[in-house]
Amino acid sequence: QVQLVESGGGLVKPGGSLRLSCAVSGFTFSDYYMSWIRQAPGKGLEWVSYISSSSSYTKYAESVKGRFTISRDIAKNSLYLQMNSLRAEDTAVYYCARNLNGSFDYWGQGTLVTVSS
Amino acid sequence: DIQMTQSPSSLSASVGDRVTITCQASQDISKYLNWYQQKPGKAPKLLIYDASNLETGVSSRFSGSGSGTDFTFTISSLQPEDIATYYCQQYDNFPPYTFGQGTKLEIK
Repeated sequence: QVQLVESGGGLVKPGGSLRLSCAVSGFTFSDYYMSWIRQAPGKGLEWVSYISSSSSYTKYAESVKGRFTISRDIAKNSLYLQMNSLRAEDTAVYYCARNLNGSFDYWGQGTLVTVSS
Repeated sequence: DIQMTQSPSSLSASVGDRVTITCQASQDISKYLNWYQQKPGKAPKLLIYDASNLETGVSSRFSGSGSGTDFTFTISSLQPEDIATYYCQQYDNFPPYTFGQGTKLEIK
């Protein structure tokens, strides 16, 4: 069955960096676009970034552009989000999700990132 | 960016009630709208895609309709396990993909 498992979250100081990982299984990873979506505590959902199946295209929300980088390793069946220059407003649960025709049809369980001094 | 506005923000209903949530887009998005269910502490789950298509394995008491700027999500007969927050999401014009602010559904 399809599984997505995020890791790498934690507590980081403002201005710091963190790298999130998402290990996937149960489907052909190289066939799908993938996204990161976040949810601040008690708030709604915010799409953060996506990467094309071949890694040729990446897109970012304006709120993270220039600070976050999405990547994938087909051989390791893994998706990544490198987050630099973190701010308090980046505090959220970060989900990886599989893109399918504009929808997000499978999601991981999420990993919490807390940016605080 | 396309703004998605859901109403109501919260809703209290009784078991067996018909429940309706609306989602309005700031511009025409054709049929390019999805609905998700998020239970507390869990990841969202895709329920409806392309405005009216039921995701495989999802209960038929959930349905969606609409096109253009106005969309409706309906639960035909509310069950206790339907307690959750529901989100709409557009994909007509991306990036960014945008979500509604959510509708929190509670049992009366």
